[in-house]
Amino acid sequence: DADVTQTPRNRITKTGKRIMLECSQTKGHDRMYWYRQDPGLGLRLIYYSFDVKDINKGEISDGYSVSRQAQAKFSLSLESAIPNQTALYFCATSDPARDAGANVLTFGAGSRLTVL
Amino acid sequence: AQSVTQLGSHVSVSEGALVLLRCNYSSSVPPYLFWYVQYPNQGLQLLLKYTTGATLVKGINGFEAEFKKSETSFHLTKPSAHMSDAAEYFCAVTNLAGGTSYGKLTFGQGTILTVHP
Repeated sequence: DADVTQTPRNRITKTGKRIMLECSQTKGHDRMYWYRQDPGLGLRLIYYSFDVKDINKGEISDGYSVSRQAQAKFSLSLESAIPNQTALYFCATSDPARDAGANVLTFGAGSRLTVL
Repeated sequence: AQSVTQLGSHVSVSEGALVLLRCNYSSSVPPYLFWYVQYPNQGLQLLLKYTTGATLVKGINGFEAEFKKSETSFHLTKPSAHMSDAAEYFCAVTNLAGGTSYGKLTFGQGTILTVHP
């Protein structure tokens, strides 16, 4: 089983619908992240959480919300999806205390979302 | 604030040729630098990282990168390309010294590497 699991892997939805992308991890890492990947733009940080009680906005949080249900679970919601939220979404985890402070990210396989 | 610029969104090389992917960064504090690779339909995998110490770092699959503070660069190289190296490569920067970018990874735009037979 993968260390970081994202569901669903693919989703097609319509404008205005509410969508939730889920992420679970077995790494035991405290830190979790949601990134969005668009061609030519790299990965941009949406939200991040350094522990269960800590949630922070990234550079492109508008239109998104998150919930950290447990150390192992971090979900991303689009309350009312719009076409320009069509993208590939990645969940990632890290634990600087375990890699000499380097904060190496472990990524899930991605969730491809299409908003029509 | 921190940022990363990758020069060239597409790089094409012949099998056996040198691979050079360019990355320049901006950071107000000493950076930690990374290269990640993304194969088709997969997530990103760590290729190599620079934190402190030796400025030439070696990664998996024969890749290496050199941290040059004076040039604010962290270019990725491989002496001889293999067909299996075809992928998208991302340079990234973070810092663990504090400030608003603490603990957050900022990625470059990505470079797609194509390897021709």
